[in-house]
Amino acid sequence: NAGVTQTPKFQVLKTGQSMTLQCAQDMNHNSMYWYRQDPGMGLRLIYYSASEGTTDKGEVPNGYNVSRLNKREFSLRLESAAPSQTSVYFCASSEGQEIHEQYFGPGTRLTVT
Amino acid sequence: AQSVTQLGSHVSVSEGALVLLRCNYSSSVPPYLFWYVQYPNQGLQLLLKYTTGATLVKGINGFEAEFKKSETSFHLTKPSAHMSDAAEYFCAVSDPFSGGYNKLIFGAGTRLAVHP
Repeated sequence: NAGVTQTPKFQVLKTGQSMTLQCAQDMNHNSMYWYRQDPGMGLRLIYYSASEGTTDKGEVPNGYNVSRLNKREFSLRLESAAPSQTSVYFCASSEGQEIHEQYFGPGTRLTVT
Repeated sequence: AQSVTQLGSHVSVSEGALVLLRCNYSSSVPPYLFWYVQYPNQGLQLLLKYTTGATLVKGINGFEAEFKKSETSFHLTKPSAHMSDAAEYFCAVSDPFSGGYNKLIFGAGTRLAVHP
């Protein structure tokens, strides 16, 4: 039982490049989330998926797209990376829409130059 | 919009001293409240949560927090700090106006340092 896994752990991109961050959970959770963490700002929600087949925008969705591939996997795509997207990205999951605790992955540290 | 304020971005205590990390929220509707801890280069781990019922909540590693509705606060305490408590701590609240209780609003975090 690995919990929430994320790949890659580190990535450096040039401005304008694209990439996809992968996230998978093995806890049979219904809801999944993508956050970004920036110094002094805590975690901000980018997108979330309340259940398989649904996605919704969070607080800071601009410049990102997501795909809920199946119940286990939720990917985050940067189509044209910008330096402002330099951040640490966390994926999380929870049992459902009721307020259950969220379980976090180890994070992806992304630098855009 | 719901907001969370953590007073003090950095807190330093001596080993064995009381730990007090402050959290205030803005909602007039009592939300669900959480404290998470983040150790270096790791994801967030839930310390404790308040949903309903007893306002004093106990969590892992000897931490506890008290929900005070009149003060809109949910401060985190531990009677005696240990070196292993050095980490960043985040307070989070649910957003009761989000159309579902499945979104969390996080504070900016408080980095706790423990010195011998």
